[in-house]
Amino acid sequence: AQTVTQSQPEMSVQEAETVTLSCTYDTSENNYYLFWYKQPPSRQMILVIRQEAYKQQNATENRFSVNFQKAAKSFSLKISDSQLGDTAMYFCAFMKHTGSTLGRLYFGRGTQLTVWP
Amino acid sequence: ETGVTQSPTHLIKTRGQQVTLRCSSQSGHNTVSWYQQALGQGPQFIFQYYREEENGRGNFPPRFSGLQFPNYSSELNVNALELDDSALYLCASSRPTGGTEAFFGQGTRLTVV
Repeated sequence: AQTVTQSQPEMSVQEAETVTLSCTYDTSENNYYLFWYKQPPSRQMILVIRQEAYKQQNATENRFSVNFQKAAKSFSLKISDSQLGDTAMYFCAFMKHTGSTLGRLYFGRGTQLTVWP
Repeated sequence: ETGVTQSPTHLIKTRGQQVTLRCSSQSGHNTVSWYQQALGQGPQFIFQYYREEENGRGNFPPRFSGLQFPNYSSELNVNALELDDSALYLCASSRPTGGTEAFFGQGTRLTVV
């Protein structure tokens, strides 16, 4: 079974500063994907960034980057130049590679990020 | 905008009743998954439908059932509602062949009283 753990229920950061959200996971799989999703008050889950486990290079998407440590099963999200619109619940998620169809997502309990002016 | 819409947005039901939640996916998205998100928790996988057949199920009882239709819409049905069924229900669809991105709807907030 796969488990995802987010140990920070809440984080806050001042606008324009950098913040890092932590995530650890447990799996016996070797081929999988890791994701960070953002859920604003509108409730719609939005993909922030994706990492393939077989890639050693850390994924980046504009202000968002990850630190993927496969041996340690750690997958943290760094948000640079934080903006007020980044305020949301952030979920770390795991998905086993399944081939042709979308796999099942395993989510952590989330970290509520607040960006203040 | 993900192109995935869910209806209704909010719903209040009485314990013991039955409910149907609906999801409309983007054209061509032949995989749809349903998740239950209890207050303060991460989403939990209920089941997935692929080409109108159930293709995997999480730890949910049989009173949770679903349907997927050829027009890329789907339903989640819950019978004999319990108070603990109160949650946000999310559907997510994906492109065919190797898609790893799930496109989520905005969810249906179900309250059981």
